[in-house]
Amino acid sequence: DVKVTQSSRYLVKRTGEKVFLECVQDMDHENMFWYRQDPGLGLRLIYFSYDVKMKEKGDIPEGYSVSREKKERFSLILESASTNQTSMYLCASRERGTSNGELFFGEGSRLTVL
Amino acid sequence: AQSVSQHNHHVILSEAASLELGCNYSYGGTVNLFWYVQYPGQHLQLLLKYFSGDPLVKGIKGFEAEFIKSKFSFNLRKPSVQWSDTAEYFCAVTPYSSASKIIFGSGTRLSIRP
Repeated sequence: DVKVTQSSRYLVKRTGEKVFLECVQDMDHENMFWYRQDPGLGLRLIYFSYDVKMKEKGDIPEGYSVSREKKERFSLILESASTNQTSMYLCASRERGTSNGELFFGEGSRLTVL
Repeated sequence: AQSVSQHNHHVILSEAASLELGCNYSYGGTVNLFWYVQYPGQHLQLLLKYFSGDPLVKGIKGFEAEFIKSKFSFNLRKPSVQWSDTAEYFCAVTPYSSASKIIFGSGTRLSIRP
C-alpha cells in the first residue's frame, strides 16, 4: 500500500519557536508538495519540490522554508512560528512529469501556535 | 488569475437523494481535472479525474463527473447518496503543461442524514 507519512499529527508550539514538519513517501516519487488547508480556503500550495535539493515557491511561501536532502523526505520549516500559521498542513507526492497524475496525501499535521 | 470555484460550501442531503456538486475553473488552456475526497479523520484521496477522451468520467463509489469545456465546469454527481458519503469534496485543476501547478477549490462539505 502506497504511503505518505507525516511525522506529527498534532503539534502545539509557542510564538517564535522553530517548527519542523517532516514528510516521507515510499513511492519513489520525484514531486513533493506542502499544502496548507484552512476552512473555506481549500488547499493552498506553500512549496513544491521536483527533485532532491530543488524547490519552487508556491502561492503562500512567506514565513516558511523547505528542505529536500533525500528523494523520499520533504521537510517544512517554520523559522519563527506565528499564530496565523495555526493550520492543517498536508504533504503530498506525485510522479514526475505527470500533470494528470494522482496526488498522494499524508494524513496531515495539525499545528496550533499559541 | 487562475482559480477554481466551488459554490456550495455545505450541502445537506438525506440518504438516497441525488447529488450534484458544482466546480467551475478559470483557465484558458488545456487542463486536467480532479475530484478529491476527504472522509472524516482520513487523508485526501482521489475520487476521479479527467485528462482526455470521454468527458463523462466514472470514479470510485458510484461517483461520476462531466467535463463541459464550453462552461469551464466539472460537476460531480451521484444518483443516490449514502451516509458513508459524508465527507469534504475538493475540485482541482492542473494546466496540461504544468506538473506542479495544481489549483484547488475551497471545498464542499457534504453531510448525509441517515
